[in-house]
Amino acid sequence: DTGVSQDPRHKITKRGQNVTFRCDPISEHNRLYWYRQTLGQGPEFLTYFQNEAQLEKSRLLSDRFSAERPKGSFSTLEIQRTEQGDSAMYLCASSPRTSGGNEQFFGPGTRLTVL
Amino acid sequence: RKEVEQDPGPFNVPEGATVAFNCTYSNSASQSFFWYRQDCRKEPKLLMSVYSSGNEDGRFTAQLNRASQYISLLIRDSKLSDSATYLCVVNLSGYSTLTFGKGTMLLVSP
Repeated sequence: DTGVSQDPRHKITKRGQNVTFRCDPISEHNRLYWYRQTLGQGPEFLTYFQNEAQLEKSRLLSDRFSAERPKGSFSTLEIQRTEQGDSAMYLCASSPRTSGGNEQFFGPGTRLTVL
Repeated sequence: RKEVEQDPGPFNVPEGATVAFNCTYSNSASQSFFWYRQDCRKEPKLLMSVYSSGNEDGRFTAQLNRASQYISLLIRDSKLSDSATYLCVVNLSGYSTLTFGKGTMLLVSP
């Protein structure tokens, strides 16, 4: 499967714990995005990488959230000191250089439940 | 005012019906427009781009009115497999991030 992959698919954690999610974009896609989606809402943008550079961060991304893409390939999203309000689906997407970010290919998401 | 607003759903229609979804966006600088489809518990997938002249892809027709900041999606002869949530999506000029509406759920029944 050459699509966007995310790991894990599901994560249940207790409040206050740290969690880390991984995203592997479609190979040769230089742009990578993280979104968060809660029930009944559309995806909300969190952050965006072009190659290894993090070019944009949403105001939704509090200090407890950090994302990296060290080699311009896979990316990780870490949430420290999780809160119940962090429970959501975390979606990763990638797009090729030629699309200008217009067509984004989404992974299956990581569903986080904070107890 | 939300950046992208869509009809609240769900829309319940019988097979073969024609259904239209409406969407408005608040930022007049928006340059690119899309409809994405999201099946239950699945990721969003691009359904079609929306061009100023309007465009059609089989049973699906998308329209854009920049003056009114309004986007629509028409589905003709709806199929059971069209049941999904339809997300209106906007991209601002110079940005690569997409802004999504809440989505409108469509349920097509036999």
